Amino acid sequence: GAGVSQSPSNKVTEKGKDVELRCDPISGHTALYWYRQSLGQGLEFLIYFQGNSAPDKSGLPSDRFSAERTGGSVSTLTIQRTQQEDSAVYLCASSSQRGRGYTFGSGTRLTVV
Amino acid sequence: GDSVTQMEGPVTLSEEAFLTINCTYTATGYPSLFWYVQYPGEGLQLLLKATKADDKGSNKGFEATYRKETTSFHLEKGSVQVSDSAVYFCALSPTGGGNKLTFGTGTQLKVEL
Repeated sequence: GAGVSQSPSNKVTEKGKDVELRCDPISGHTALYWYRQSLGQGLEFLIYFQGNSAPDKSGLPSDRFSAERTGGSVSTLTIQRTQQEDSAVYLCASSSQRGRGYTFGSGTRLTVV
Repeated sequence: GDSVTQMEGPVTLSEEAFLTINCTYTATGYPSLFWYVQYPGEGLQLLLKATKADDKGSNKGFEATYRKETTSFHLEKGSVQVSDSAVYFCALSPTGGGNKLTFGTGTQLKVEL
């Protein structure tokens, strides 16, 4: 597609429920990143996929968080047993080359009530 | 580890005023440096970048110079417009590209008539 597409744009969920967030990167971009943007804070790195390599999961805050990328394209970020502190905007980005800057999606605003 | 420090906002200016948003970083070697902008309700967009010392990135009237001696990458614009109102993020990518960008906390800019 022309840009990075994320869905849903907004999600309200009850504490304890699982949620799935979807990211569709720019066609041909081999690198895909997930970040979390909390109110008043910068962007927190979560996970990085590069081609067929093992993902860099070093930023995932707990084992409730997981992500996969199917066929080197679409990615899904799953949060199990959501907590209120998970409320944030989850941003996905893709890139064609390392260190050359990313293209971000508009994000999914997650609210856990 | 790598880190980016930005001046806290909000920064409120009158139209046509001069803008400076300070950014300093901590990193080993020679990282690449970026400024991203997030307009209300939108995702992050790459504004400008510099990949080596003394490089100047520029775009849309904004400029930033990579200063290795002061580990800084301050964002400047000579005459701001109301349409420049947004949140600005400074970021770095480690030497050699690396897997992820490290972001500052963002600085909100409000430009008034």
